[in-house]
Amino acid sequence: NAGVTQTPKFRVLKTGQSMTLLCAQDMNHEYMYWYRQDPGMGLRLIHYSVGEGTTAKGEVPDGYNVSRLKKQNFLLGLESAAPSQTSVYFCASTHPVGRDNSYNEQFFGPGTRLTVL
Amino acid sequence: RKEVEQDPGPFNVPEGATVAFNCTYSNSASQSFFWYRQDCRKEPKLLMSVYSSGNEDGRFTAQLNRASQYISLLIRDSKLSDSATYLCVVRTPFNKFYFGSGTKLNVKP
Repeated sequence: NAGVTQTPKFRVLKTGQSMTLLCAQDMNHEYMYWYRQDPGMGLRLIHYSVGEGTTAKGEVPDGYNVSRLKKQNFLLGLESAAPSQTSVYFCASTHPVGRDNSYNEQFFGPGTRLTVL
Repeated sequence: RKEVEQDPGPFNVPEGATVAFNCTYSNSASQSFFWYRQDCRKEPKLLMSVYSSGNEDGRFTAQLNRASQYISLLIRDSKLSDSATYLCVVRTPFNKFYFGSGTKLNVKP
């Protein structure tokens, strides 16, 4: 049981290049999330998904696209990378628990450190 | 206005001290509340959920005040291993999670 895994762990891009970050979870969780973390800013939600085939925008979606074709995978795409997208990217998953979903802890992947030059 | 606000610290305390962190949130419809711990350059990990009646887990006590939209975390008998950044997290309707920017704790020998 690997939990949440992220690929790659590190990447350096040049401005204008594209790439896809892969998140995979083996816990059969319905909900998956992509966050970015910048110094002093905490984690900010980029996009999220409440089930296979569904995605929604978070706080900072501009410049990113996502897809959830399979329940266990959530992909984050950067079509044309910019230096402002230099950050640490975390993926997380969770599942409704309890009558009002009160107790759903998020499980995080180890992060992807992306530098855009 | 940020959804979740925390004092960034750092809080520098000696071993054995008691330290308290506070957090406020702006969305009155928030449904679940958590404290996560994050070690340097690692992923956040759940420390404890925060229940309406308050709850304790060993040396850690969490309190929630829905009327004031305020969450607290108390750490008693601080250990060197408690040094980390503590993130206040709030879940709003439709399962969106908002994180505070974190409070850094340094426990000194």
